Amino acid sequence: DAGVIQSPRHEVTEMGQEVTLRCKPISGHNSLFWYRQTMMRGLELLIYFNNNVPIDDSGMPEDRFSAKMPNASFSTLKIQPSEPRDSAVYFCASSLSAGNTIYFGEGSWLTVV
Amino acid sequence: AQKITQTQPGMFVQEKEAVTLDCTYDTSDPSYGLFWYKQPSSGEMIFLIYQGSYDQQNATEGRYSLNFQKARKSANLVISASQLGDSAMYFCAMRALDTGRRALTFGSGTRLQVQP
Repeated sequence: DAGVIQSPRHEVTEMGQEVTLRCKPISGHNSLFWYRQTMMRGLELLIYFNNNVPIDDSGMPEDRFSAKMPNASFSTLKIQPSEPRDSAVYFCASSLSAGNTIYFGEGSWLTVV
Repeated sequence: AQKITQTQPGMFVQEKEAVTLDCTYDTSDPSYGLFWYKQPSSGEMIFLIYQGSYDQQNATEGRYSLNFQKARKSANLVISASQLGDSAMYFCAMRALDTGRRALTFGSGTRLQVQP
């Protein structure tokens, strides 16, 4: 079975550019999470969707960040404009709403120069 | 609010020995789940083991077991017969089960190094 699929795996972009990260959750999972991992702050929840509806976006850093889930099989996390401090690994994860386990994608490694 | 504390930034263990990674938590949720994830140097987050707060028995998954002590609010991971491939970061995490707050809260992690 396919796991959570994220793209791109690696991205290097210049400050001020728009970055779009993509995620395909595990088929049948109806909860989707975006996390960010940095050395300084560890793993932080950015936003959480349930049945394609954002439930908790309190972790979204600022207006430069936006996330969408237009359907059950696709989500995007967009940063516009990007800044060097956005450099991090961005993980997408999914689970069943009533399930006990959250499965992570391999992460998108973002470097903003 | 939920909080996970991992007090061991780094641990060393000899190959084939057992090691315990500590995790304490704090929550006001009556029902919650506790998780351990492994993150090797390649970066992916690998689910290892789950323990529900209502589970009477400690969870086990192969060489992994979770030493759950509810009164002490601890959920330590025990790895038996360590292997070189166990060298990685290990994260303890928790989530509420009966509320809308179903996202995981993570600890800061413990870096385990298995020595030959």
